[in-house]
Amino acid sequence: DIQMTQSPSSLSASVGDRVTITCRTSQSISIYLNWYQQKSGKAPKLLIYAASSLQGGVPSRFSGSGSGTDFTLTISSLQPEDFATYYCQQTYSSPLTFGGGTKVEIK
Amino acid sequence: EVQLVESGGGLVQPGGSLRLSCAASGFTFSSYWMTWVRQAPGKGLEWVANINQDGSEKYYVDSVKGRFTISRDNAKNSLYLQMNSLRAEDTAVYYCARGGATPGGRLGYWGQGTLVTVSS
Repeated sequence: DIQMTQSPSSLSASVGDRVTITCRTSQSISIYLNWYQQKSGKAPKLLIYAASSLQGGVPSRFSGSGSGTDFTLTISSLQPEDFATYYCQQTYSSPLTFGGGTKVEIK
Repeated sequence: EVQLVESGGGLVQPGGSLRLSCAASGFTFSSYWMTWVRQAPGKGLEWVANINQDGSEKYYVDSVKGRFTISRDNAKNSLYLQMNSLRAEDTAVYYCARGGATPGGRLGYWGQGTLVTVSS
């Protein structure tokens, strides 16, 4: 199985900050990497697919990059509605594992 | 509008069984891989199983192999998860999600989830 290492597990940031979350996989997965946002008590929402493609309706302040084993989710200017938990997921091979999550909290 | 509505969750004793359902609408159900994802209380997301368009390919996380069975009925636009020999560690909110045309597709749509509690 492909192991996912997401970091940090949590972070505190202020509105307007640039935020970067990293996901590392135990083997190369090309660009088969998606990012999801989950707010408390809600279902996850797809933000980024294929490592860098923005899902329709997602604000352009979200961006993704990387390939192989190292990936990054960047929020260019954190907004109040962005405080949530973020997960990466590889879809290269089953089981389609998720990272452990990064909780973004208000500083 | 794409909609996924899960049902069938509830309280069950260890060793018991439960069948979850996911009713899909707003898209051509038979054209997409479908997936179950779960989330234990206060924990992260765990991919559980997925199934291809005609039900001929199924994949499971190791922890549920031999106990859970994913299936679908394209005539009824419905996805199912039969859960047997349930354990306390299966307690979670279970989400169904729509994949893509390939097994590596993104999970672009999710249901609201249904809670399964395994406890005596």
